[in-house]
Amino acid sequence: EAQVTQNPRYLITVTGKKLTVTCSQNMNHEYMSWYRQDPGLGLRQIYYSMNVEVTDKGDVPEGYKVSRKEKRNFPLILESPSPNQTSLYFCASSYRVTNQPQHFGDGTRLSIL
Amino acid sequence: QQQVKQSPQSLIVQKGGISIINCAYENTAFDYFPWYQQFPGKGPALLIAIRPDVSEKKEGRFTISFNKSAKQFSLHIMDSQPGDSATYFCAASMRKTGANNLFFGTGTRLTVIP
Repeated sequence: EAQVTQNPRYLITVTGKKLTVTCSQNMNHEYMSWYRQDPGLGLRQIYYSMNVEVTDKGDVPEGYKVSRKEKRNFPLILESPSPNQTSLYFCASSYRVTNQPQHFGDGTRLSIL
Repeated sequence: QQQVKQSPQSLIVQKGGISIINCAYENTAFDYFPWYQQFPGKGPALLIAIRPDVSEKKEGRFTISFNKSAKQFSLHIMDSQPGDSATYFCAASMRKTGANNLFFGTGTRLTVIP
């Protein structure tokens, strides 16, 4: 089954404690992206990757890091989480060609206390 | 700065009625306009999409209307059903960036009352 898998689905943690949200896709997609979803703001792009070892900033990259060492994985790293990073996070993947449907994971709800 | 503006924020429709969600954009470089549907606890999923060379696209009960001169597009859900209750996001992207980046609207929470 074609899918994008995120882990964990839920996490409550404290300010400053490094965390990683993993994302894996099994569709051999070149393009992967991270979004955060906040009430009244919709989905905003954090980082994206066009292929292995190629990453770039989206609209709200501050406080986040990513890496793309393998095609199927695109982890999101919060080195020193802060309460304003409390949000619902989605990973998505698609073929590299523009205007392709993006396939989303089921989300990770992060609470930073 | 929100590149795609979406309204209304929430919408309540009777079963069998028509649901209409509107979006507007400013960047004329946008050349692809998808709509995504999101159910609680799930990620968004592509519902229907349109390119600016057509004014309307219909798939079943879902229709996108596109007005290039006004830089507006809308989603119409005919014969709305309780199973359509979800959050709907319009989005836009542009080929010239070379990346499949989507700019999303703020979302519309649709509730269809039986």
